[in-house]
Amino acid sequence: DAMVIQNPRYQVTQFGKPVTLSCSQTLNHNVMYWYQQKSSQAPKLLFHYYDKDFNNEADTPDNFQSRRPNTSFCFLDIRSPGLGDAAMYLCATSWERGGETQYFGPGTRLLVL
Amino acid sequence: AQSVTQLGSHVSVSEGALVLLRCNYSSSVPPYLFWYVQYPNQGLQLLLKYTTGATLVKGINGFEAEFKKSETSFHLTKPSAHMSDAAEYFCAVITLGFQKLVFGTGTRLLVSP
Repeated sequence: DAMVIQNPRYQVTQFGKPVTLSCSQTLNHNVMYWYQQKSSQAPKLLFHYYDKDFNNEADTPDNFQSRRPNTSFCFLDIRSPGLGDAAMYLCATSWERGGETQYFGPGTRLLVL
Repeated sequence: AQSVTQLGSHVSVSEGALVLLRCNYSSSVPPYLFWYVQYPNQGLQLLLKYTTGATLVKGINGFEAEFKKSETSFHLTKPSAHMSDAAEYFCAVITLGFQKLVFGTGTRLLVSP
């Protein structure tokens, strides 16, 4: 009955080596979000897709990019990971923007060596 | 601008005791309010939400919260804590027209036998 699925759950990469995190959903929601959560902090929104419309947060580094090839899938690409990018990355979905509930996946923990 | 303040980064209770996690919000328009729970190395799970209507909201796992407009508060309570309630709890606010879910800094609930 998984609704928001993230793969892999744990990802180890090397400093500067590109990495892609994957999110898929079975809810057919219009909106997909990517959050970064560092240890003992609240999730921080990186960007979101409303259907195919990409919305970047002003303070999201250029090093982070995203793709949404279809309704079900969304990818987070980190072009050149630095040590400071080690974090939990959470994908979430909602039917609409605004006051709709966001449903979160289990997250991918990224380790940068 | 919206904001959320969670008083107490850590709250400790004994098993069977009342749980009270505090949340105050700031919003210039009627807010939608959420409580999420996060277990270690997991994503966020929705506990409950307030949109409109009845100000006392019941959620999963025996939790409830009351929206008090006059106090701009949305405190989370549970009459009797279980060991399984030990987790991080996040209060969040969103308003219609804003596309971002704004989280508080989180409160870690510790439950002792």
